[in-house]
Amino acid sequence: GDSVTQTEGLVTLTEGLPVMLNCTYQTAYSTFLFWYVQHLNEAPKLLLKSSTDNKRTEHQGFHATLHKSSSSFHLQKSSAQLSDSALYYCALSDGQTGFASALTFGSGTKVIVLP
Amino acid sequence: GPKVLQIPSHQIIDMGQMVTLNCDPVSNHLYFYWYKQILGQQMEFLVNFYNGKVMEKSKLFKDQFSVERPDGSYFTLKIQPTALEDSAVYFCASSPGTGGLNQDTQYFGPGTRLLVL
Repeated sequence: GDSVTQTEGLVTLTEGLPVMLNCTYQTAYSTFLFWYVQHLNEAPKLLLKSSTDNKRTEHQGFHATLHKSSSSFHLQKSSAQLSDSALYYCALSDGQTGFASALTFGSGTKVIVLP
Repeated sequence: GPKVLQIPSHQIIDMGQMVTLNCDPVSNHLYFYWYKQILGQQMEFLVNFYNGKVMEKSKLFKDQFSVERPDGSYFTLKIQPTALEDSAVYFCASSPGTGGLNQDTQYFGPGTRLLVL
């Protein structure tokens, strides 16, 4: 079955420094990748999504590029802000039941940005 | 942005009892989902629902689970009877499914924290 791997459970960094969160995946089907962000006691919110190979996607200062050759969709930001402290989930949809397919989530990466 | 509401936010229940988790999806969304997240583990898909029917369900969606959305009201997840292993956070989501750039984007609620004693 499908799987998503996020290697970092916790990332702690100082405000203003760059951040990169790793995401790799396995699927035998079509590939739609998502990054969700969840702040404390809030709902997970979509940050980025992509299904296009080698195309950079950007939103709210974050960016990610889907690389099908390496099955990766790493999330990056050049300068972290205090408000970026949150839980980040990478998720995959294989499109088997069309655009309402189930999401397979990674285990999540908790990001703490310190002043 | 679009908001999904979940009621209640917390529920404590004795094993063997019935529980209903309620989800108020985004208005005009057509597809609905439930996910389960056990403490310390990743979020896992349970079921999706469209036009009054279950489209797809995972192996986590046991026979004791059922979903419905009567007359366009809340989208509910019912567990009857509950078991200790049902303790988790349950997230509801909805997606538009009507074409356009965000047809496949799932909008999540904040979750219901269920504790089965």
